Amino acid sequence: SQQGEEDPQALSIQEGENATMNCSYKTSINNLQWYRQNSGRGLVHLILIRSNEREKHSGRLRVTLDTSKKSSSLLITASRAADTASYFCAPTGFQKLVFGTGTRLLVSP
Amino acid sequence: EPEVTQTPSHQVTQMGQEVILRCVPICNHLYFYWYRQILGQKVEFLVSFYNNEISEKSEIFDDQFSVERPDGSNFTLKIRSTKLEDSAMYFCASTQESQGTGELFFGEGSRLTVL
Repeated sequence: SQQGEEDPQALSIQEGENATMNCSYKTSINNLQWYRQNSGRGLVHLILIRSNEREKHSGRLRVTLDTSKKSSSLLITASRAADTASYFCAPTGFQKLVFGTGTRLLVSP
Repeated sequence: EPEVTQTPSHQVTQMGQEVILRCVPICNHLYFYWYRQILGQKVEFLVSFYNNEISEKSEIFDDQFSVERPDGSNFTLKIRSTKLEDSAMYFCASTQESQGTGELFFGEGSRLTVL
C-alpha cells in the first residue's frame, strides 16, 4: 500500500473562495480517493476517481488525476465555513487504504 | 442512510486492563477494518478482516490486539492489556467491495484513554 502526500499541509481562506489541495503518490494505482475528517470525527468519503479517468465532479468538488505525473488535485469551489476540516487522499491499487497527514483547511467567515 | 456505528464513544481505563471496542458495520458489507488515530497524528491502519479471518495486519497490531466477528453483525477489537500508548481514537470501517476498489465507510470512532 502507499500513502499520498498532500500539499499544502495547511490552507487558510475566506468563505466564498476556492480551495485547491494536491496529492502526489509514487506507484501505479487502480483509483484514488479523497476523504474529509472534521476534528475528532470519522473520515468521510468524498469522491473516488479511477485510473482511467482524468476529471470528476461532485457538487462543489472537482477532482483531477494525472497518472503520468502521479498526482491529483481536489478543488472545492465557493467554500463555506463548514468545509473546515482535514482532507486526505488515498491512492490505492487493490490494497488497503493508507492515509497521510492531510491538508488542514480553515475557511473563515 | 446506512452507517457504521461504534460503541462506546469514549472509554477510560487503567493500564493493564482489557478493553473491547465494538462496531456494527453496514449490513451488506463484507470487508472490515480497524484504524487508529493518536491525538494530532495521522490515521493508521491496524487490521483488515474478510470472510471471518484477518486478511492483513500492521506492525501495530501485535499479540495484545485481536478482532472478532462473533455474531455476523458486530465486529470487535480487543486490547488485552492496555498500555498508555494505546490511548487514541479507534475507527471501524467497512466496505462492500474488495480492498482498495471502493469507498470505505467509517464510524465516528471510540476514544480510548488509558491512565
